[in-house]
Amino acid sequence: GAVVSQHPSRVICKSGTSVKIECRSLDFQATTMFWYRQFPKKSLMLMATSNEGSKATYEQGVEKDKFLINHASLTLSTLTVTSAHPEDSSFYICSARDSGTQGNTIYFGEGSWLTVV
Amino acid sequence: SQKIEQNSEALNIQEGKTATLTCNYTNYSPAYLQWYRQDPGRGPVFLLLIRENEKEKRKERLKVTFDTTLKQSLFHITASQPADSATYLCALVNSGNTPLVFGKGTRLSVIA
Repeated sequence: GAVVSQHPSRVICKSGTSVKIECRSLDFQATTMFWYRQFPKKSLMLMATSNEGSKATYEQGVEKDKFLINHASLTLSTLTVTSAHPEDSSFYICSARDSGTQGNTIYFGEGSWLTVV
Repeated sequence: SQKIEQNSEALNIQEGKTATLTCNYTNYSPAYLQWYRQDPGRGPVFLLLIRENEKEKRKERLKVTFDTTLKQSLFHITASQPADSATYLCALVNSGNTPLVFGKGTRLSVIA
């Protein structure tokens, strides 16, 4: 099946710094990618929809200046958590839509654990 | 209001039995449904996709049904094994390029 690679898988950063998470579709082109956040034993929470070549669409309550999304190519979207605080510590997961398959199957990355200390 | 519900938060079954998980939705007209498996601390893994004009899909020991009249999808794992223990997520896409809408998941435990 299609592969979505997410990097880094784990990152620890200091409060006030920024951290970038990359999401790559390895064997298909993805005009649309999605970023989620998940707390332990909770559902995936959609943060934003990332469209190649245009601005991301953020869900209500998600600060666009804090969570910067860039989808500069058909295989790469990045999420930058700016001025990170301990409450930003979470599991971040990206997904990518494979428009080449029937039904536009959506595949997920392995997720990135962010710890802000 | 729009809802997508998975019947139970947790389901325990005996090894070798068939596990059946339910996904019901309200006030959606999904173009298709996807089922995923998620293990703790990992991203969801795609299992099956079923479109609105399909009644049933199979893949190895997995079977998904889709009833647009009942607004329900059933996910079956036959001859279940302890390795099948995980959280299973139902997700639907309403149309076009809209994001997946997820249920809360059912945590399946297969007991040897």
